Amino acid sequence: QVRLQQSGPGQVRASETLSLTCTVSSTSIRGYYWSWIRQSPGKGLEWLGYIHYSGRSNYSPALESRVSMSVDTSRNQVSLRVTSVNTADTAMYYCARDGRGGYFGGDFDYWGQGTLVTVSS
Amino acid sequence: QSVLTQPPSTSGTPGQRVTISCSGASSNIGSNTVNWYLHLPGTSPKLLIYKNDQRPSWVPHRISASKSGTSASLAISGLQSEDEAEYYCATWDDSLNAYVFGTGTMVTVL
Repeated sequence: QVRLQQSGPGQVRASETLSLTCTVSSTSIRGYYWSWIRQSPGKGLEWLGYIHYSGRSNYSPALESRVSMSVDTSRNQVSLRVTSVNTADTAMYYCARDGRGGYFGGDFDYWGQGTLVTVSS
Repeated sequence: QSVLTQPPSTSGTPGQRVTISCSGASSNIGSNTVNWYLHLPGTSPKLLIYKNDQRPSWVPHRISASKSGTSASLAISGLQSEDEAEYYCATWDDSLNAYVFGTGTMVTVL
């Protein structure tokens, strides 16, 4: 059973860096694209970007200057960093696997449990 | 805000059929395949439809989807209480160079 287990702090101070990790089990991160998606309170889903195990990445233009993603194939982990956070970054954050495999298609077939991150001023 | 527009809400009684529209543009729906997600409060979203009209194995046949031009739609037949959730369409936008989600539609079972 594929499982994505998210970890990271639930509170971050404004202007600091948000860091989350997604540990993948029962499937290799190799060969798939991995995305981070968030949902701010009262709002819809927002795609933050994707990363491939090869290091290839693509970030949402809305957050491109503050977002970075990385992979650790030895630990089968995918990570998210958002710098200079503000209260608008308060959201439930999810990691997700793109089920297409060889290319990005946005078919997120497995999701992490979600991490509620609150940015305090 | 999103480039994909969905009605905020729709409702129906048990057994009825409801449809959810997703309106986009040539740069997104018009050029790329559409996926649909179901999101229940307190849970992670689930892939409901991929590649316009394909159902994952867990999705019942009473749920279907289609795409035409720059619009897509999701249909739920034989509405059940368990269908009460938020539904999102999603696709790649070539102009934005980003994956975009629709505004979301809340389905209420009366």
